[in-house]
Amino acid sequence: DAGVIQSPRHEVTEMGQEVTLRCKPISGHNSLFWYRQTMMRGLELLIYFNNNVPIDDSGMPEDRFSAKMPNASFSTLKIQPSEPRDSAVYFCASSLGLTLNTEAFFGQGTRLTVV
Amino acid sequence: AQSVTQLGSHVSVSEGALVLLRCNYSSSVPPYLFWYVQYPNQGLQLLLKYTSAATLVKGINGFEAEFKKSETSFHLTKPSAHMSDAAEYFCAVSDQTGGFKTIFGAGTRLFVKA
Repeated sequence: DAGVIQSPRHEVTEMGQEVTLRCKPISGHNSLFWYRQTMMRGLELLIYFNNNVPIDDSGMPEDRFSAKMPNASFSTLKIQPSEPRDSAVYFCASSLGLTLNTEAFFGQGTRLTVV
Repeated sequence: AQSVTQLGSHVSVSEGALVLLRCNYSSSVPPYLFWYVQYPNQGLQLLLKYTSAATLVKGINGFEAEFKKSETSFHLTKPSAHMSDAAEYFCAVSDQTGGFKTIFGAGTRLFVKA
């Protein structure tokens, strides 16, 4: 398996523009997580899905952020409109999610810069 | 809810020296604990995990961690540091509040001096 695949790897956009980050989880994994990493706040869990259903979105910072998982092999994280403070590395991770001892597998991340 | 605290945002050791990265957990139930490593411009990858089968857990790249319930600790060690160990290390705990998810500590950046 190729692992968790995220695209794009880098994104530079202007403030106010819509940004869409994409993720393909590992085949067979039923849980998917979106994290944001910054120097100031570390690694924050934004939202996670189980069997394509959002379970906990309490980490989503504002209504400008939204995430979808239309099927088991694809998820998107959208920011509209984007702001400079959204600049961060966004990671997608997936896991079997069946028990507490299941580890998460991470993608390479998308480095977002909003200017 | 479960949480982890990593002591020290930066640790510097000389090549060949002992590596000790500290992690304490807070949990009202027996915890499932993990250590992940992040190399520059990469995602996180699993080093090792504790699942109550044994208190001393061996992971990849010569790392190991010992679960100590009395101290609520899960410190990561390696007897002899290599330059290639320079990275950021995250302690994490599984949380079942609202479903299964992983909660990460703030991370410790390890520097290895030649």
